Formats: sequence, structure tokens, C-alpha cells
Amino acid sequence: GENVEQHPSTLSVQEGDSAVIKCTYSDSASNYFPWYKQELGKGPQLIIDIRSNVGEKKDQRIAVTLNKTAKHFSLHITETQPEDSAVYFCAASIRLTGGGNKLTFGTGTQLKVEL
Amino acid sequence: DTAVSQTPKYLVTQMGNDKSIKCEQNLGHDTMYWYKQDSKKFLKIMFSYNNKELIINETVPNRFSPKSPDKAHLNLHINSLELGDSAVYFCASSQDRGGTYEQYFGPGTRLTVT
Repeated sequence: GENVEQHPSTLSVQEGDSAVIKCTYSDSASNYFPWYKQELGKGPQLIIDIRSNVGEKKDQRIAVTLNKTAKHFSLHITETQPEDSAVYFCAASIRLTGGGNKLTFGTGTQLKVEL
Repeated sequence: DTAVSQTPKYLVTQMGNDKSIKCEQNLGHDTMYWYKQDSKKFLKIMFSYNNKELIINETVPNRFSPKSPDKAHLNLHINSLELGDSAVYFCASSQDRGGTYEQYFGPGTRLTVT
């Protein structure tokens, strides 16, 4: 089955700096790669995603890149703010025959943005 | 106007008891999921239902029995609770959007078994 590795497990940056989180996946059938932000005591919130036929996608301060050949994808956050502090999860998705998709999550990155 | 809701938010119970967690989505999605998040924050799929039909059962003990009375609801019943069942359980839903399925998560139910 799919295996997703995520690094680093913790990341501390100064406010205004950039943060980069990297993931790798193993199953070439994965075709969709969402990123989730989870704040303390809340459910994961979808913040950005990328399909396998796209190499890069940007939404304001957040961008994702995908290298299908190397099976790598990354999350880039620029101009970090204290409210960006949270746990971030990458995931790889495989579409299911019966409907829906199966998400395999990375192990999470605790991002701390310091003033 | 919550998109995916779960009840209860907290559940504390003793070993051996039976408990249920309820999930409802008002997004009109046709697929719903249950995930388990352990103490190390690792998120793992347990079940998925599409139009009330079971699609995924990820080698979850048969003490866990999901039930989907309709497309908008997916409940999780757990029999004979064990200490290892303590975790946060998340419900999610999704809809096909041109071949991709954006999954939206509920706020979670923290289950503590003593």
C-alpha cells in the first residue's frame, strides 16, 4: 500500500521567514495531494491541494510543488505569521473504484512561528 | 451552518462498555469516512462509505461497526471498548470534483477509555 513520509517533524521559524515541509510517496497510482492544517483541538483543515498533472500551485502565501518522477511534493509558506503555527499534514490520495478516495497521511510537522 | 459535525466532542467511558459517535454532513457529499488519530497525531483511515455502501474497511477490529442510515450520516459504534481505543476520531466527507475528492473533516471526538 501507499506510504507517505514527511519531514521535518518539527519546524521553528521566525515571523516573516519562509517554511518548507517535504513529503515523499511510494505508490505511483496516487493522483491527488492535499495539505491539511490542524490547530490544537480542531479537525484537519484543507489548505491547498495539487493534482498529479500539475507541477505547482500557489494561493497567496502558500504554494505546493509536485515532482511526479521523484514522487516528492512540498509545501512552502512565505512571510510566516504566528497564526500559521499548527501541525501540517501532507497526504497522497488514490481514487477508489466504489467511489471516494483513500488518503494516506504523512506523520505531521509541528510548525512554530516565533515573534 | 457547520459542514461536518460530530457528537459528542468528548467521550469518557470504562473498558468493556459500548459507545457510539455520530456524524452528519450538510455539504451534499456522497462519500463519508472515519479516521482515527492516535496520541502521536498519526491519522489513519478506518472506513469509507459511498452512497451508504461500505467501500473501505482498513483491517479495523470487528468491535467497530459503522452504519450509514443515509448519505448525510455515518455513525460509528464501538463494542467492548479497550484502552487502546483511546484516540480522537474524525469524520470526513467528500464529493467527486472532476476526478479528485476534497475531503472535509469534522471537529473530532476525543474518546478516553479508562
